[in-house]
Amino acid sequence: AQKVTQAQTEISVVEKEDVTLDCVYETRDTTYYLFWYKQPPSGELVFLIRRNSFDEQNEISGRYSWNFQKSTSSFNFTITASQVVDSAVYFCALSRFLDSGGGADGLTFGKGTHLIIQP
Amino acid sequence: DAGVIQSPRHEVTEMGQEVTLRCKPISGHDYLFWYRQTMMRGLELLIYFNNNVPIDDSGMPEDRFSAKMPNASFSTLKIQPSEPRDSAVYFCASSRQDRGSYEQYFGPGTRLTVT
Repeated sequence: AQKVTQAQTEISVVEKEDVTLDCVYETRDTTYYLFWYKQPPSGELVFLIRRNSFDEQNEISGRYSWNFQKSTSSFNFTITASQVVDSAVYFCALSRFLDSGGGADGLTFGKGTHLIIQP
Repeated sequence: DAGVIQSPRHEVTEMGQEVTLRCKPISGHDYLFWYRQTMMRGLELLIYFNNNVPIDDSGMPEDRFSAKMPNASFSTLKIQPSEPRDSAVYFCASSRQDRGSYEQYFGPGTRLTVT
């Protein structure tokens, strides 16, 4: 069975601070995918990033960066110079690789981290 | 391009009534997923389809829930009869899983309240 743990239920920081959201996952699969989604107060789920299990390169996109460490089963997300607009619930998710025809299975989500950026 | 479209956005119904939620995936996407979000259980996968065929319905809570995908551009999730514990936000998502693109794009959700 797969499991995603986001131990930080809520984080509150002051604008312009850097903040890291932790994600630890469990899976027996050798090939899998990791994702981060953002859910702003309006409620929609916004895709941020996908990582394949065989690609451990870290990634940076503007103020966002992701650190994937297979050895510790972690996929952490850092926001640099946080802004009020970053306030949202952030979900880490995991899916299996489908052997038959490739593709990814449905997502197993963590419980989410509520990030509050205070002005 | 239009994103995933869900209707209705809000639904309030009485216990015992039938509820039908609708989803139109992004054109060209071959996978469609239904999820439910509650405070207690978080986001959980209910069922997903590949090329209109149900692949995994192990997340469907019980026989009161059913889902169909009659064609590539339309899916329904039906609850009959509805119960107060079905109150949740139901999300539909779609993905196109060729060329290594596996990310799912979500609709705005349907907030269901069963009284």
